[in-house]
Amino acid sequence: AQKVTQAQTEISVVEKEDVTLDCVYETRDTTYYLFWYKQPPSGELVFLIRRNSFDEQNEISGRYSWNFQKSTSSFNFTITASQVVDSAVYFCALSDAYRGKLQFGAGTQVVVTP
Amino acid sequence: KAGVTQTPRYLIKTRGQQVTLSCSPISGHRSVSWYQQTPGQGLQFLFEYFSETQRNKGNFPGRFSGRQFSNSRSEMNVSTLELGDSALYLCASSPRTSGTSTDTQYFGPGTRLTVL
Repeated sequence: AQKVTQAQTEISVVEKEDVTLDCVYETRDTTYYLFWYKQPPSGELVFLIRRNSFDEQNEISGRYSWNFQKSTSSFNFTITASQVVDSAVYFCALSDAYRGKLQFGAGTQVVVTP
Repeated sequence: KAGVTQTPRYLIKTRGQQVTLSCSPISGHRSVSWYQQTPGQGLQFLFEYFSETQRNKGNFPGRFSGRQFSNSRSEMNVSTLELGDSALYLCASSPRTSGTSTDTQYFGPGTRLTVL
């Protein structure tokens, strides 16, 4: 069975601080996909990134960066120089290669104060 | 390209009633998935439709059903509503051109259902 664990329930930071969100996953599949989504107060889940199990390269997109380590089954997400607009719930999710079902973690609430 | 749209955005029903939620996927996307989000259970997969066929189903009772039309639009139905069905129902679409599911799912704004 697949499982995604986001141990941090809430993280509060002051604007311009960096924040790292942890994601640990469990799967028996050799091919799988990892995702991060952002859910602002409006409720819509906004796609941020997708990674397949064969691509362990870290990625940077603007202030966002992702660290994928298969050896520790982790896919962590860092926001650099946080801004108030980054305040949201962030979800890590796992999908196998065939069934189209996303298994979500519990989410981490990020609160950025000015 | 327009995103995923869901109607209605808000709905209030009473126990025992039934409800139908609608989802229009991104143009060209053939797969539609539904998820339920509650404070207690988080985000849970309900089902996925591809080319008018249900491809996957989550662990929900038979009161939850869905369908997909030839234009890829999808509806989900919940019969005999219970208080615990109060949730945000999210629809997602993906291109998914075949039996594999390697495509990203893009979500709509959701329908907030309140059962009184």
